Amino acid sequence: DARVTQTPRHKVTEMGQEVTMRCQPILGHNTVFWYRQTMMQGLELLAYFRNRAPLDDSGMPKDRFSAEMPDATLATLKIQPSEPRDSAVYFCASGSGVNYGYTFGSGTRLTVV
Amino acid sequence: DAKTTQPTSMDCAEGRAANLPCNHSTISGNEYVYWYRQIHSQGPQYIIHGLKNNETNEMASLIITEDRKSSTLILPHATLRDTAVYYCIALVSGNTGKLIFGQGTTLQVKP
Repeated sequence: DARVTQTPRHKVTEMGQEVTMRCQPILGHNTVFWYRQTMMQGLELLAYFRNRAPLDDSGMPKDRFSAEMPDATLATLKIQPSEPRDSAVYFCASGSGVNYGYTFGSGTRLTVV
Repeated sequence: DAKTTQPTSMDCAEGRAANLPCNHSTISGNEYVYWYRQIHSQGPQYIIHGLKNNETNEMASLIITEDRKSSTLILPHATLRDTAVYYCIALVSGNTGKLIFGQGTTLQVKP
């Protein structure tokens, strides 16, 4: 089965450092999402793209987070500077439309100390 | 998108059918009902979706009431591997397709 690949799987970093998470969507999928999951807040939508164009990033703290799709095979989520409250699991998902179901990656578990 | 309400948790015996309810009393005519699940430490997984007719696939069945105010996801023969959080989402099909997850139902399948 085709998969959404996220790297790294785990990341531990010190407060103030830049963090970059990467996602390789399934080939041919034109929609990409970034979610963050914590015990307290559950799954939160941070941003999403269609055909590489950002459609909505209202869920993302603008001062420190940025999301891009440099090409159709790569989506990135950056945090600069990172803070302990950013500790969470970050999921990427891709799809061709909601009626085909979206496929999620295995996530990046970020710990900021 | 319509708000959905699900029980916080449910138990089910292994091998029995698991029936997971979802209320969406304010659903509009063009909103579909989608189900996803999240097994511990994994990303969510699409299960099934429907508008007003009952739907079935290899994973589950979806029963939507005639007034569309509620639905039930049925796992016909639950296994231990079906233990997960199940999310019911009401969403207009179309170009936006922005999935917003609630708290879901934690299903515990017991031996």
